[in-house]
Amino acid sequence: DAGITQSPRHKVTETGTPVTLRCHQTENHRYMYWYRQDPGHGLRLIHYSYGVKDTDKGEVSDGYSVSRSKTEDFLLTLESATSSQTSVYFCAISDRQGQTQYFGPGTRLLVL
Amino acid sequence: DAKTTQPNSMESNEEEPVHLPCNHSTISGTDYIHWYRQLPSQGPEYVIHGLTSNVNNRMASLAIAEDRKSSTLILHRATLRDAAVYYCILRDWEGGSEKLVFGKGTKLTVNP
Repeated sequence: DAGITQSPRHKVTETGTPVTLRCHQTENHRYMYWYRQDPGHGLRLIHYSYGVKDTDKGEVSDGYSVSRSKTEDFLLTLESATSSQTSVYFCAISDRQGQTQYFGPGTRLLVL
Repeated sequence: DAKTTQPNSMESNEEEPVHLPCNHSTISGTDYIHWYRQLPSQGPEYVIHGLTSNVNNRMASLAIAEDRKSSTLILHRATLRDAAVYYCILRDWEGGSEKLVFGKGTKLTVNP
């Protein structure tokens, strides 16, 4: 299994509070991705990174920001959480553009 | 992104072969056909991919139609651990698409 961990695995928070999710990899892969998964929508890309300090938006980036200061860590921040951001968040990595992506175990976030 | 069409659900018996179909009538010449699956409460995992020729690996086989407008994922002997949602995804190699576009997939139920 690819060395990908996500933390926390579960989180309950209140509307309006900031939340940061962490994705950590031990594979030294260049590309990292954040997806969210909701019933009826499948997985949708939020943001991705193609190197340290290099990030770009995905299809559902509003309300989210990301940072990547080291190869191994990709942080997803909800500046002010809303109930619509209740979801399961998955991190993924790949070693080359367009190649197979390996997914983490996911983080379940509940915004009350 | 090119679209794929899969049945919502399929059922199989343990130790029998399973053929999971996928239609992709608008596939372009540079699109690879990827299959991922997602076991309950886990992140998606890569299964197999191909371009034109049939492909085999330890998990499954991929049969691609001659006109590439459809493909079939074959599990040769289904086990209970193969119960999952299977996603057929097209990836543009030349365009270097940064995202996997997940549809709703096929939920496979394996009966003992």
